[in-house]
Amino acid sequence: AQKITQTQPGMFVQEKEAVTLDCTYDTSDQSYGLFWYKQPSSGEMIFLIYQGSYDEQNATEGRYSLNFQKARKSANLVISASQLGDSAMYFCAIIRRSNYQLIWGAGTKLIIKP
Amino acid sequence: DSGVTQTPKHLITATGQRVTLRCSPRSGDLSVYWYQQSLDQGLQFLIQYYNGEERAKGNILERFSAQQFPDLHSELNLSSLELGDSALYFCASSPRLGGTDTQYFGPGTRLTVL
Repeated sequence: AQKITQTQPGMFVQEKEAVTLDCTYDTSDQSYGLFWYKQPSSGEMIFLIYQGSYDEQNATEGRYSLNFQKARKSANLVISASQLGDSAMYFCAIIRRSNYQLIWGAGTKLIIKP
Repeated sequence: DSGVTQTPKHLITATGQRVTLRCSPRSGDLSVYWYQQSLDQGLQFLIQYYNGEERAKGNILERFSAQQFPDLHSELNLSSLELGDSALYFCASSPRLGGTDTQYFGPGTRLTVL
């Protein structure tokens, strides 16, 4: 079975600092994908970044980058130069290529302090 | 704006009742997914449809059912509602059958069962 672990229930970070949100996963599959989503207090689920298990380079999308360490089964999200609008819940999720369902972590609540 | 629409945004009903949640996927997307987000269980995959056919089932109760129509919109029907069904219900869509395609989420329907 697949599993996602997000060990940080909550984090406080000073505005403009970089922040790393941890995500470890457990899967026996060779082919899978990892996603990060952001959920602001308004409730919507916003896609941030994707990393495929065979991708050799770490994914980047603007201020978001994914620190993918396959051997350690870790896919940490790095947000550079944090902004007040980054305050939200952040979810890591995994999907199998042979399956269609996202398996989610419990999330990390990030609060950016001015 | 992800391009996925869900109605209604909020729904308040009583135990024992039946409700229908509606989802329109992004233009061109053939796959629709339903997820439930509750405080005690987190985010859980319910069911997936692709081009009108059910393709994957997750932790969906027998009291719940879904369908995808020829115009690709989908409906999630929840019957004999219980207090524990109160949750945020998300619809997501992706272009193809699944695998590692990014799933884009609608704004969600917040269901409150009194």
